[in-house]
Amino acid sequence: DQQVKQNSPSLSVQEGRISILNCDYTNSMFDYFLWYKKYPAEGPTFLISISSIKDKNEDGRFTVFLNKSAKHLSLHIVPSQPGDSAVYFCAASDRTGTASKLTFGTGTRLQVTL
Amino acid sequence: DTEVTQTPKHLVMGMTNKKSLKCEQHMGHRAMYWYKQKAKKPPELMFVYSYEKLSINESVPSRFSPECPNSSLLNLHLHALQPEDSALYLCASSHRDRGSGELFFGEGSRLTVL
Repeated sequence: DQQVKQNSPSLSVQEGRISILNCDYTNSMFDYFLWYKKYPAEGPTFLISISSIKDKNEDGRFTVFLNKSAKHLSLHIVPSQPGDSAVYFCAASDRTGTASKLTFGTGTRLQVTL
Repeated sequence: DTEVTQTPKHLVMGMTNKKSLKCEQHMGHRAMYWYKQKAKKPPELMFVYSYEKLSINESVPSRFSPECPNSSLLNLHLHALQPEDSALYLCASSHRDRGSGELFFGEGSRLTVL
């Protein structure tokens, strides 16, 4: 049972345009949602997160939107840059005492073209 | 220092070998994790240590044996592995009590089982 889903395996966007990556989840108990970026042969790098009690969080070119009623979140990157080309994973966190258990989506490969 | 360091970066082993993967962090984080990632798949949680105690074991086969000697170190002992265990093994740490409890990942150890 996939609790976190990213239905678009890939996305191609022109440099300077907006990239929108989508994520759906099924578990209402998740308390935080996070986006990670991953280059080949490297570990995932944290990008931005949002609490389940918020609907928007912004950090520079990155904005995450959360729609709890739809169990949907999205990551907006504007303007997109060639260095943004990577695989983006959506992740959801639930509290397990003093540890943070993350469940990852399947990832979306973003290609930013010149 | 915001790094999680994993060694070795690459490991090739036979099915009868015993080897270990090592992970180190000096961020004062009290939760440490092992994730497994197969090609084109999301990272999957294997183990969580919280305050040096094993708090989550996601039904991982006993041929994988985790160890947390102290709050900065995490090992994964490997014995009698199968070729399907070949994957990227990611270590991560988090300070759960701050913010979203985002995980900081190492670059991973790529394991090939012959």
